Amino acid sequence: DADVTQTPRNRITKTGKRIMLECSQTKGHDRMYWYRQDPGLGLRLIYYSFDVKDINKGEISDGYSVSRQAQAKFSLSLESAIPNQTALYFCATSDFVAGGRSGELFFGEGSRLTVL
Amino acid sequence: AQSVAQPEDQVNVAEGNPLTVKCTYSVSGNPYLFWYVQYPNRGLQFLLKYITGDNLVKGSYGFEAEFNKSQTSFHLKKPSALVSDSALYFCAVRGPSGSARQLTFGSGTQLTVLP
Repeated sequence: DADVTQTPRNRITKTGKRIMLECSQTKGHDRMYWYRQDPGLGLRLIYYSFDVKDINKGEISDGYSVSRQAQAKFSLSLESAIPNQTALYFCATSDFVAGGRSGELFFGEGSRLTVL
Repeated sequence: AQSVAQPEDQVNVAEGNPLTVKCTYSVSGNPYLFWYVQYPNRGLQFLLKYITGDNLVKGSYGFEAEFNKSQTSFHLKKPSALVSDSALYFCAVRGPSGSARQLTFGSGTQLTVLP
């Protein structure tokens, strides 16, 4: 089984619908992230959470919200989906490394969202 | 602001030949540099990182990368390419303070190894 699991893997929805993407991890990491991948743009950070009580906006948080239900679960919601939110979404985790040497991320396999 | 440039959207190389995927960066202070690989329909996987020390960093699957401070580059290399190396490669950078949340990714380079 994957260490970082995303559901659903693929979703097609219509403009204005609410969508939730879920992520769960078995790595025991405190830090979790949601990224969006668009062709030619690389990955952009939407939200991140360093523990259950700590949630922070990333580079492109407008139109998105998140919930950290437990150390192992971090969900991303689109309250009212729009076509330009069509993208590949990745959940990732990382561990805290003393001395500021962290940076290695562990990714799920992605959730492809299409908004019509 | 920090940034990463991967100047080639696509790199094609014949199997058995050496490969290079280019990356240049801009960041305040000493850089922390990373390479990730994405195989089709999969998430990104960590390949290697440079934090400090030897400028030549060795990673997974026979890949290595050379840090060049004067040219602000961190090119990914492999002496002999395999067809199975065909994938999308991302370079990422962050500054000496902070953490993984501050990683900036490049736009990616599609590597195709031809049999």
